[in-house]
Amino acid sequence: AQTVTQSQPEMSVQEAETVTLSCTYDTSENNYYLFWYKQPPSRQMILVIRQEAYKQQNATENRFSVNFQKAAKSFSLKISDSQLGDTAMYFCAPLSGNTPLVFGKGTRLSVIA
Amino acid sequence: DAGVTQSPTHLIKTRGQQVTLRCSPKSGHDTVSWYQQALGQGPQFIFQYYEEEERQRGNFPDRFSGHQYPNYSSELNVNALLLGDSALYLCASSLRRGEAFFGQGTRLTVV
Repeated sequence: AQTVTQSQPEMSVQEAETVTLSCTYDTSENNYYLFWYKQPPSRQMILVIRQEAYKQQNATENRFSVNFQKAAKSFSLKISDSQLGDTAMYFCAPLSGNTPLVFGKGTRLSVIA
Repeated sequence: DAGVTQSPTHLIKTRGQQVTLRCSPKSGHDTVSWYQQALGQGPQFIFQYYEEEERQRGNFPDRFSGHQYPNYSSELNVNALLLGDSALYLCASSLRRGEAFFGQGTRLTVV
């Protein structure tokens, strides 16, 4: 079974600064996807960024980028130029084979003005 | 595109009652998954429907059941409600094994 560990229950960052959220996972699959989802107080899960495990290049979406270390099974999210709207719960989730999305416990990020 | 829509948004039920939650998937999506999210926790997988059949199931009792209709919409039913069933219930739709899009969830409170 897949497991996901997000070791930072809460983090805070000053507006315009950079913050990195960590995630480690365990899977026996070789081909899989990794996702970071954001859940603001409005409750809706929003996809932030995705990474295909077969790709060595780290994914980037505007201010969001990942550091994917396949051998270490590590998938961290870097948010640059943090904005107040980035305040949310962030969840890491792998997806592989026929298994459903498996979520970690999340990291609560607060962006401070 | 309306995205994934869930109804109702909030619900209060009494212990022992039954509840039905509804989900309409994003246009073009054929797979619906349901998750339970307790306060302060990550979502936990309940089950997934594809082609009107339950394809996968998480570690939830039989009190939790579902259905998928030919138009891909889905229902989650919970019987004999317990206080511990109070949670946010999230529906996610995808095109088979593709990227999942989530609805805003139904907040269920059991009293």
